[in-house]
Amino acid sequence: NAGVMQNPRHLVRRRGQEARLRCSPMKGHSHVYWYRQLPEEGLKFMVYLQKENIIDESGMPKERFSAEFPKEGPSILRIQQVVRGDSAAYFCASSPMRNIQYFGAGTRLSVL
Amino acid sequence: ELKVEQNPLFLSMQEGKNYTIYCNYSTTSDRLYWYRQDPGKSLESLFVLLSNGAVKQEGRLMASLDTKARLSTLHITAAVHDLSATYFCAVELGRQTYGGATNKLIFGTGTLLAVQP
Repeated sequence: NAGVMQNPRHLVRRRGQEARLRCSPMKGHSHVYWYRQLPEEGLKFMVYLQKENIIDESGMPKERFSAEFPKEGPSILRIQQVVRGDSAAYFCASSPMRNIQYFGAGTRLSVL
Repeated sequence: ELKVEQNPLFLSMQEGKNYTIYCNYSTTSDRLYWYRQDPGKSLESLFVLLSNGAVKQEGRLMASLDTKARLSTLHITAAVHDLSATYFCAVELGRQTYGGATNKLIFGTGTLLAVQP
């Protein structure tokens, strides 16, 4: 059973471009969580999704950030018009039923 | 607002020594987790603590939970270099404590552990 898969592992974008981060949960997991880790800090919750639904987006910045988890395919975290402050590691976690969360390897976003 | 505080933030210790990392949190929670993170890597789950008085041990690491004091500890026995990493505690806000549909994790600031030979 493959773990939580995130891609790309590293992403470089220039200011103003869009970043798309993908997360495929573990097989049988229908709950996905996104967290952001700024340099030298702990992880901060961003959003919690189930298939086709956003359950809790209390940690998402109000602008430029969006997330989806479609019926088919991976969950996507989308950042529009990236700025340098968006540079961070973005981790996805999945769980089968609001249970223990298993983390992916993360996507490290660098904004030039 | 829930706060999760760890101390120390940085710990340098010699091989063979014992030490404890503390995790304080400001409100009740469903579960408490300990994770390990190596530089540039993802988080590895170490322990899940469910109830007051819970104690779990794996190798040289032992975690405990006191829900009344809102305190968890991660004790390191006879440290070895391979334990060098950043350790995070995380508190789960779920249906029992949050009342809503979420079960997000609130992470502590992390403790960078460096074990010197």
